[in-house]
Amino acid sequence: DAKTTQPPSMDCAEGRAANLPCNHSTISGNEYVYWYRQIHSQGPQYIIHGLKNNETNEMASLIITEDRKSSTLILPHATLRDTAVYYCIVRSPHKFYFGSGTKLNVKP
Amino acid sequence: NAGVTQTPKFRILKIGQSMTLQCAQDMNHNYMYWYRQDPGMGLKLIYYSVGAGITDKGEVPNGYNVSRSTTEDFPLRLELAAPSQTSVYFCASSYASGGSQDTQYFGPGTRLTVL
Repeated sequence: DAKTTQPPSMDCAEGRAANLPCNHSTISGNEYVYWYRQIHSQGPQYIIHGLKNNETNEMASLIITEDRKSSTLILPHATLRDTAVYYCIVRSPHKFYFGSGTKLNVKP
Repeated sequence: NAGVTQTPKFRILKIGQSMTLQCAQDMNHNYMYWYRQDPGMGLKLIYYSVGAGITDKGEVPNGYNVSRSTTEDFPLRLELAAPSQTSVYFCASSYASGGSQDTQYFGPGTRLTVL
């Protein structure tokens, strides 16, 4: 199963873009990259996912390198409500493996 | 739609007691999952189900049992509770496994303390 590596914490100023990196060097060709976030102790919330191409939705953008060994989640205009733990996950059949994630602190 | 619901929200057990954590989804999802999350850690998969009558072990299944008699419900049973099972338990469901329809939707969690 592919595993991911994320920095334990990051700071971002309110209104600025937050760029959260993730390494997944052992990813297989048909495995998707998913991003979830968890605010306080709530259930994780889906953000975005992708396979090879860059993806964008109303919440965020996902940039995947050409070799697929790393990706970056971009929150274009971070707000205080985006303070959360962000998990990068490489999907194995029937299973998600959550690492420890990145704690994003958005500061005024 | 209510999405994924879990009961109870909180529970305190004594060592050796048993209980069932309830999980239900109204999205007609085939796949359901149970995770536990210890303080400051990521989620770990306990059990999952790919449909009614079919379950399989995840990373940390010891001390737990599951059943899936209907598409909607996926209860998690704790037998002989131990302090190591103190955790927050999340249930999740998804329409499919793998590919683009694999987004998991999570319940609000059950906070369990074993004393």
